[in-house]
Amino acid sequence: ETGVTQTPRHLVMGMTNKKSLKCEQHLGHNAMYWYKQSAKKPLELMFVYSLEERVENNSVPSRFSPECPNSSHLFLHLHTLQPEDSALYLCASSQQGAGETQYFGPGTRLLVL
Amino acid sequence: DAKTTQPTSMDCAEGRAANLPCNHSTISGNEYVYWYRQIHSQGPQYIIHGLKNNETNEMASLIITEDRKSSTLILPHATLRDTAVYYCISGSGNTGKLIFGQGTTLQVKP
Repeated sequence: ETGVTQTPRHLVMGMTNKKSLKCEQHLGHNAMYWYKQSAKKPLELMFVYSLEERVENNSVPSRFSPECPNSSHLFLHLHTLQPEDSALYLCASSQQGAGETQYFGPGTRLLVL
Repeated sequence: DAKTTQPTSMDCAEGRAANLPCNHSTISGNEYVYWYRQIHSQGPQYIIHGLKNNETNEMASLIITEDRKSSTLILPHATLRDTAVYYCISGSGNTGKLIFGQGTTLQVKP
């Protein structure tokens, strides 16, 4: 596997469900990011992790809970989501110190019913 | 981070050069210009970045004006697979905060 992978690629969940999105990077990077892309809207930065520490939480509701157990893995735990949370969720990674040169995964397409 | 402005959409004939402009008149001296593209329903792809000098890689060339208030991304021989939304973003190079705008939708036509 190369680059940044995300699983699952597609997810349908009810508002009372709990699910997790997984991201794995194989680039040796030490910073990882979650973005949200809603229909017809620009990408929005959600969370930034650098050296496994969360350094940015861009006013994201608490029903989204990130976890970074090591520099290669990033999770986004989801619970009691709303239909307006339906979106493409993208993970990216970079080398600390070159933060704006990011490599993105293919995304998870989430539909909340 | 400085705000960037780009045209909403552009067309380009296949095989011709695609020149995508970006204005960043409030860019500060230590901010870079980054270009990404997003092919439909895929994750964004890093293309190139630069500070002052023109840059070239296997994907594209980046021409930055001397006053750094604008730049142009050049795809020298556009193909149908280059059809995408292209984003011009400014950043200091180490914060990791990419602020995406609406970008330019480039349509390469046969």
